[in-house]
Amino acid sequence: DQQVKQNSPSLSVQEGRISILNCDYTNSMFDYFLWYKKYPAEGPTFLISISSIKDKNEDGRFTVFLNKSAKHLSLHIVPSQPGDSAVYFCAAIWDSGNTGKLIFGQGTTLQVKP
Amino acid sequence: DAGVIQSPRHEVTEMGQEVTLRCKPISGHDYLFWYRQTMMRGLELLIYFNNNVPIDDSGMPEDRFSAKMPNASFSTLKIQPSEPRDSAVYFCATSAYNEQFFGPGTRLTVL
Repeated sequence: DQQVKQNSPSLSVQEGRISILNCDYTNSMFDYFLWYKKYPAEGPTFLISISSIKDKNEDGRFTVFLNKSAKHLSLHIVPSQPGDSAVYFCAAIWDSGNTGKLIFGQGTTLQVKP
Repeated sequence: DAGVIQSPRHEVTEMGQEVTLRCKPISGHDYLFWYRQTMMRGLELLIYFNNNVPIDDSGMPEDRFSAKMPNASFSTLKIQPSEPRDSAVYFCATSAYNEQFFGPGTRLTVL
């Protein structure tokens, strides 16, 4: 049973345009969500997170939106740059604050074309 | 801080051999996680520790896999005997709160 799903394995956008990566989850007990970026031959790096008490969190070009009723979150990258080309994982945590285990989605490969 | 350190970065071994992967966590992080990444299954959590104590090992695939954390600055993941289906990238991650910080991974190939 996959509790965190990224239904789009890949996404391609033009440099300067918006990239929107989507993630759905099934467990209503998740209370903290994170996005990670992964380049080849490197470990995932933390990008941005959001608590379930918020519906938006912004950090520079990156914004994460959370729709609890739909159990859906999305990552917006504006404007997209070629260096953003990577695999993006969303992750969810249950009982945040106790550093429980992260449940990861399968990842979406983003390609930003110059 | 140098971040999470893993060794070796690459390991090629033959079926039946013992493999030991090593991880040095970020100083002050009291949680340590071992993950495996494959094309088929994505990122899977194998086991995690809190203050050197194993908390959840439900992701360990079978008895051939074992993990230890003898002190706050070192952990090992051992596979004995190794099999070709164990070929994957193994990541160690550590955290002090919700955000986990990953090491560069060990790419294991079992022939």
